[in-house]
Amino acid sequence: DAGVIQSPRHEVTEMGQEVTLRCKPISGHDYLFWYRQTMMRGLELLIYFNNNVPIDDSGMPEDRFSAKMPNASFSTLKIQPSEPRDSAVYFCASSLGQGAGGGYTFGSGTRLTVV
Amino acid sequence: AQSVTQPDIHITVSEGASLELRCNYSYGATPYLFWYVQSPGQGLQLLLKYFSGDTLVQGIKGFEAEFKRSQSSFNLRKPSVHWSDAAEYFCAVVPTGGGNKLTFGTGTQLKVEL
Repeated sequence: DAGVIQSPRHEVTEMGQEVTLRCKPISGHDYLFWYRQTMMRGLELLIYFNNNVPIDDSGMPEDRFSAKMPNASFSTLKIQPSEPRDSAVYFCASSLGQGAGGGYTFGSGTRLTVV
Repeated sequence: AQSVTQPDIHITVSEGASLELRCNYSYGATPYLFWYVQSPGQGLQLLLKYFSGDTLVQGIKGFEAEFKRSQSSFNLRKPSVHWSDAAEYFCAVVPTGGGNKLTFGTGTQLKVEL
């Protein structure tokens, strides 16, 4: 398996622009997670899905952020409009089953810079 | 409040020395416990995990961790550190009471002196 695949690896955008981050989970995994990593706040869970349905989005910072999972093999995290404080590394992860019996596998991340 | 704590922000050890990274948790019931490692500019790699059973867990790269219920701890150890172990290490938990929310500690940055 190729693992969790995220694109792009790096994104530089201007403030006010829309940004879309993409994630392909491991085939067969039924949970998908979006995390954000910053120096100040560490690793924060933004949202997670089970069987393509959002389960907990309490970590989504504000309405500018939205996430979708239209099918089992694809998810997006969108920021509109983007702001400099959104600059961070965004990770996607997937897992199989409740309680993480199969472990969580992380993608390589997308480094977002908003100027 | 539920939390996972890594008391040490930075640790420096000499190559060949032993290593112990601390992790404490505060949950009503023992959560599922994990250690991840992150090299600079990379994603997170699972080192080991504890769900139940034997309290000493073996992981990859020569790491092990010991679960101590009485101390609410899950410390990571390695008998002899290699320069390539320099990285950031995260303890993480998933509550056993339902949900699948993996929550991370703040991380410990390990520096290895040659």
